[in-house]
Amino acid sequence: DAKTTQPNSMESNEEEPVHLPCNHSTISGTDYIHWYRQLPSQGPEYVIHGLTSNVNNRMASLAIAEDRKSSTLILHRATLRDAAVYYCILSSSNTGKLIFGQGTTLQVKP
Amino acid sequence: GAVVSQHPSRVICKSGTSVKIECRSLDFQATTMFWYRQFPKQSLMLMATSNEGSKATYEQGVEKDKFLINHASLTLSTLTVTSAHPEDSSFYICSVPDRANTGELFFGEGSRLTVL
Repeated sequence: DAKTTQPNSMESNEEEPVHLPCNHSTISGTDYIHWYRQLPSQGPEYVIHGLTSNVNNRMASLAIAEDRKSSTLILHRATLRDAAVYYCILSSSNTGKLIFGQGTTLQVKP
Repeated sequence: GAVVSQHPSRVICKSGTSVKIECRSLDFQATTMFWYRQFPKQSLMLMATSNEGSKATYEQGVEKDKFLINHASLTLSTLTVTSAHPEDSSFYICSVPDRANTGELFFGEGSRLTVL
């Protein structure tokens, strides 16, 4: 599976939107883009995933660049509970096997 | 509610003993489960794919005789850390793929192992 690059950390203010970037310049045509987040001492939690088109769900939006070499996870209004490590992962199948990178640690300030 | 349950959530054992961690799929049957390990301040590392009714598939560098995986039923996979040593102390997390094949993974709460 192709590699992703994310900033180590980001800060946000509460109730403001957050844009978490992810670069995946070696993405292949069959790679899905997955986002998970992990709160301290918990297992990861699914956030969103997509292939080519932008995706929205109750948690977040996923904006995928036209060339698919980058994507952005958008949290529309950050809350303190959104403070977590966010992982952007590529997977070439829907089998569920995911290889995690280092992720972005998001800090949300009140 | 939780889709995947792990037990125990925390375990402390003496060096040289073996520890078994259970992963249960609560809502649906799972022919495949995944086991991850996470050291403090590091990312998750995939250890192996647990396959119901057959041998687990281990990732490169993971000792299959050290980390025994058994997937005897469609709702239960177990990971046994044999002859545990302090360097095996870690957060072990299992996951189950969505049965609808959406690509979503459901993760357990994790099991924190401390080997004295």
